[in-house]
Amino acid sequence: DGGITQSPKYLFRKEGQNVTLSCEQNLNHDAMYWYRQDPGQGLRLIYYSQIVNDFQKGDIAEGYSVSREKKESFPLTVTSAQKNPTAFYLCASSPPGRGINQPQHFGDGTRLSIL
Amino acid sequence: AQSVTQLGSHVSVSEGALVLLRCNYSSSVPPYLFWYVQYPNQGLQLLLKYTSAATLVKGINGFEAEFKKSETSFHLTKPSAHMSDAAEYFCAVSDDKIIFGKGTRLHILP
Repeated sequence: DGGITQSPKYLFRKEGQNVTLSCEQNLNHDAMYWYRQDPGQGLRLIYYSQIVNDFQKGDIAEGYSVSREKKESFPLTVTSAQKNPTAFYLCASSPPGRGINQPQHFGDGTRLSIL
Repeated sequence: AQSVTQLGSHVSVSEGALVLLRCNYSSSVPPYLFWYVQYPNQGLQLLLKYTSAATLVKGINGFEAEFKKSETSFHLTKPSAHMSDAAEYFCAVSDDKIIFGKGTRLHILP
């Protein structure tokens, strides 16, 4: 079955450490997205990518970085510059085309906590 | 600029009662509208979407939503709540980019 795989499910970070969250999709979708979810705040867009080797900042990109070297993969790095990284991180993708009228498909998320 | 407001961060209904989750949007152009459901420690799953073909949209799990342009609303309903409907529900609007509401957690009382 096609879908989006996020790993790991749970991740712990020490102060000053960078960590990378994995997101892989086999849906042949062009666009991919990273969201951060905090209780009561809904989903906030971190980065998105419409095509391989190209990505744009979302609303809360500071302290995060991404790459899009392959269509299937869109890893997110949480850097030490992100002062409050504890959150639930969701990766999503959407079908080819302009995309605004296409629903997004989501992975099951990675929960990041600070030790 | 587009935006979406979900009224009520928590809603409780008795099992078998009507479910009504409210969503109001603002958009400068006719929008695309979505409802998603999220179960604990999982991603979001699409319930239904409005793309202007019909104002009453039927989704999965017995949910439906009605687009009312005059009220700028897209409320989600289900005639009879089931315990398995307990989850968080997100309304989303998309014209230039997709914007999610802050979510409504639905509690089902036995």
